[in-house]
Amino acid sequence: QVLLVQSGAEVKRPGASVRVSCKASGYTFGDHYIQWVRQAPGQGLEWMGVINPLGGRPSYAQKFQGRVTMTSDTSTSTIYMEMRSLTSEDTAVYFCARLPGIYAFDVWGQGTMVTVSS
Amino acid sequence: QLTQSPSSLSASVRDRVTITCRASQGINSRLAWYQQKPGKVPKLLIYDGSTVQNGVPSRFSGSGSGTDFTLTISSLQPEDFATYYCQQLNTYPITFGQGTRLEIK
Repeated sequence: QVLLVQSGAEVKRPGASVRVSCKASGYTFGDHYIQWVRQAPGQGLEWMGVINPLGGRPSYAQKFQGRVTMTSDTSTSTIYMEMRSLTSEDTAVYFCARLPGIYAFDVWGQGTMVTVSS
Repeated sequence: QLTQSPSSLSASVRDRVTITCRASQGINSRLAWYQQKPGKVPKLLIYDGSTVQNGVPSRFSGSGSGTDFTLTISSLQPEDFATYYCQQLNTYPITFGQGTRLEIK
C-alpha cells in the first residue's frame, strides 16, 4: 500500500520556523516527485513546490521563494518542507502529495496543521 | 491561471451536474479533478482531462481539450456533496481552480 505519512500538528509563534516531514512507503521512493500543497482554513488549495527525491534543485512557487526549503533523505524515504519567518497567514494544513507517471497527484499525505499565533 | 465555475452549486440527488474549468492558455489536457470533503484529503477523480482514476465511480467523467474542461457527475449521490477542484499540471507553477462547492438543494 502506497502511503505518505506526515508529521504532527505544530503551533508556532510569528517569526519562527517550522519543518514538516513526509515519509513515503509502499513504492520506490526515488521513482516519483513529491509536491507540497497548503490549504488555509476555509480556503482553496495552493501549490507550494516540488522536489525530486533523488536530488536536484527543487522548484518553488514564486510566493515561497526564499522562505521555503524542500529536502530529501533517501536513507529514510522522507521529504521535508521547512518554512521560515512564519506569519499568521501561514496558518494552514500542509499536504505532501505524489506525482506519479500521470499528470495528477494520486496519493496524498494526511495533512499537517500548522498554526501561527502569538 | 484556472477559472472554475460555478463557485457554488445546489443540486438534488440524481441530478446531472457539470462543473467547468477554463485555462488562460492551452494545457495539453494535463488537467486533473479532485473531490474534497470537509476535514479530508483531496481525492483524485480524473486525470489527463478525461481518464477516470481507479476505484472512482463511473458516474464521474471528464472531458475537454485545449483551454476548456468539464467535470460531469451523471447522477448525484448523497456522498458526492463536497468541494471539487480542477488542477493544471502542464507547466510550473502548478495551479488549482478556486473550487466548486456542491451543496444539497
